[in-house]
Amino acid sequence: EAGVAQSPRYKIIEKRQSVAFWCNPISGHATLYWYQQILGQGPKLLIQFQNNGVVDDSQLPKDRFSAERLKGVDSTLKIQPAKLEDSAVYLCASSLEVSSYNEQFFGPGTRLTVL
Amino acid sequence: AQTVTQSQPEMSVQEAETVTLSCTYDTSESDYYLFWYKQPPSRQMILVIRQEAYKQQNATENRFSVNFQKAAKSFSLKISDSQLGDAAMYFCAYRGHSNYQLIWGAGTKLIIKP
Repeated sequence: EAGVAQSPRYKIIEKRQSVAFWCNPISGHATLYWYQQILGQGPKLLIQFQNNGVVDDSQLPKDRFSAERLKGVDSTLKIQPAKLEDSAVYLCASSLEVSSYNEQFFGPGTRLTVL
Repeated sequence: AQTVTQSQPEMSVQEAETVTLSCTYDTSESDYYLFWYKQPPSRQMILVIRQEAYKQQNATENRFSVNFQKAAKSFSLKISDSQLGDAAMYFCAYRGHSNYQLIWGAGTKLIIKP
């Protein structure tokens, strides 16, 4: 079974530039999550999708971050414009459905450096 | 609001010995799930073990076991016969029924000494 795929693995940009990250979840997983993990901290949920609908985006800085999952499969997270404090690893995860019990499977992450 | 606290930023253990990582949490819910995730230097987060709060029996997965103390809101992870491949960041996480969001601790870096 293929795991969660993310690209790119690394990205370096200057502040005020735009950047986009892509995630392809495990086949058949209805729920997709984007996390931001700042060095030395645990992941922070940015947005959660159930199929192509948003379940929770309460911690997404909507003035600069956006995400979509148009066909209920892969997803894109965009930052525009980037700030220095956006430097972090962006993790994508998926699970079968929204449930307290279901395991979340994580991708390798995209490490973003904003200069 | 629920919180998860890992009070040990870093732990080290000799290879083949046993180590225990601590985690405490705060919640007003009676039914929830607790997880330990491992994040090796390659950064792919992997589930190590999970515990349902309604189960009194502590979960066990091979060399990994938990000590779940519901009244004390404590959820520690014990790694027996530590191996070099166990070196990683370990995160404790909570997930309730009222909000499906995972609440994460800050992590403990585990170093294995050969």
